[in-house]
Amino acid sequence: GAGVSQSPRYKVAKRGQDVALRCDPISGHVSLFWYQQALGQGPEFLTYFQNEAQLDKSGLPSDRFFAERPEGSVSTLKIQRTQQEDSAVYLCASSAQGPGNTQYFGPGTRLTVL
Amino acid sequence: GQQVMQIPQYQHVQEGEDFTTYCNSSTTLSNIQWYKQRPGGHPVFLIQLVKSGEVKKQKRLTFQFGEAKKNSSLHITATQTTDVGTYFCAGPGGNNRLAFGKGNQVVVIP
Repeated sequence: GAGVSQSPRYKVAKRGQDVALRCDPISGHVSLFWYQQALGQGPEFLTYFQNEAQLDKSGLPSDRFFAERPEGSVSTLKIQRTQQEDSAVYLCASSAQGPGNTQYFGPGTRLTVL
Repeated sequence: GQQVMQIPQYQHVQEGEDFTTYCNSSTTLSNIQWYKQRPGGHPVFLIQLVKSGEVKKQKRLTFQFGEAKKNSSLHITATQTTDVGTYFCAGPGGNNRLAFGKGNQVVVIP
């Protein structure tokens, strides 16, 4: 079956623009995670969904970041009024059960804010 | 939240040689996971260790979880060019998150 997919793979935005990043998890996976990975660093947790419920959003760096998963499958990470420091790779991961289970990562979206 | 530290941060390894990368935590971990990220790629799950003192092997890779469940290691023998990439360990970070280390970037010298 297909793995986790993300779109777009690359996004260039001018500072101040809004962006929306999409994640299609593995079919049937209950848990979905968003991470931010800066160059040369490990992934940093942003937010976690179990089905449609956003159980943890404590990693979102500011109120400009918003994530949703309205039907418990596809998720969108939205960043409003993008800033240069938002430039990073945004990774989505899904797992079959809880967060302690293996997480399968998508290819990521590389966001560059000019 | 939980933090895991990885050492070294960078390694240059001659093809054919062995190397080890380490992961340390200041607190006891319920489990530890290892991921590999190729240049330009995304993290790919390698293994999860749960038991104290657990040792698991995957071909040339040997993973170990310390007796106190505070440290872990990955040992690779007879390094190949396909081993290039960044190896991350990750532990439960509290509040349903995985806490990743900064990774060990491995460069293989042919």
